[in-house]
Amino acid sequence: QQQVKQSPQSLIVQKGGISIINCAYENTAFDYFPWYQQFPGKGPALLIAIRPDVSEKKEGRFTISFNKSAKQFSLHIMDSQPGDSATYFCAASMLGGAQKLVFGQGTRLTINP
Amino acid sequence: NAGVTQTPKFQVLKTGQSMTLQCAQDMNHEYMSWYRQDPGMGLRLIHYSVGAGITDQGEVPNGYNVSRSTTEDFPLRLLSAAPSQTSVYFCASSYRWDEKLFFGSGTQLSVL
Repeated sequence: QQQVKQSPQSLIVQKGGISIINCAYENTAFDYFPWYQQFPGKGPALLIAIRPDVSEKKEGRFTISFNKSAKQFSLHIMDSQPGDSATYFCAASMLGGAQKLVFGQGTRLTINP
Repeated sequence: NAGVTQTPKFQVLKTGQSMTLQCAQDMNHEYMSWYRQDPGMGLRLIHYSVGAGITDQGEVPNGYNVSRSTTEDFPLRLLSAAPSQTSVYFCASSYRWDEKLFFGSGTQLSVL
């Protein structure tokens, strides 16, 4: 079964707009929630990550919002740029173990100029 | 500093053939892992290693073997390739179990 469900599968946003990608998880033992960014032909690269002791983490234009009671977390990209066009994956792991990540299905984001 | 290096970048196999996907890292990372990426499925963990001589299974280990004889290398062996193993394979490493993963650029494998 898919332990981490990601939506939408694809997203088109105008330049300067806000891109929002959502993820939901079932396993309450998960305690590490990263987002990875992947460009075509490349491996994923860590974008930003959060642990459940905080509800929000911001790094530049990228923000993770975390709702522990709803078992949901989301990525917000402010002032979206064409260079942000990529596939984004949410993920989760237990006991803070970055090595055993469970990934969502991915969202292909396109930022129109 | 090359990071995580995977070879080959592309490979075509016939059903039943065996091969080894190579992965090497030069960052002195203790932790290494293999993921496969399939459309609509995200990435799924195949095997991982917490140090030389120590390996364990991930979510989808069937049909794959690994070994970790050195800190730097973590090869993935396909014993008898099947069309269901057509995928993009990524190797990843991290310094500690709770630090970010560094991914290689992937191996695109097709099994006919």
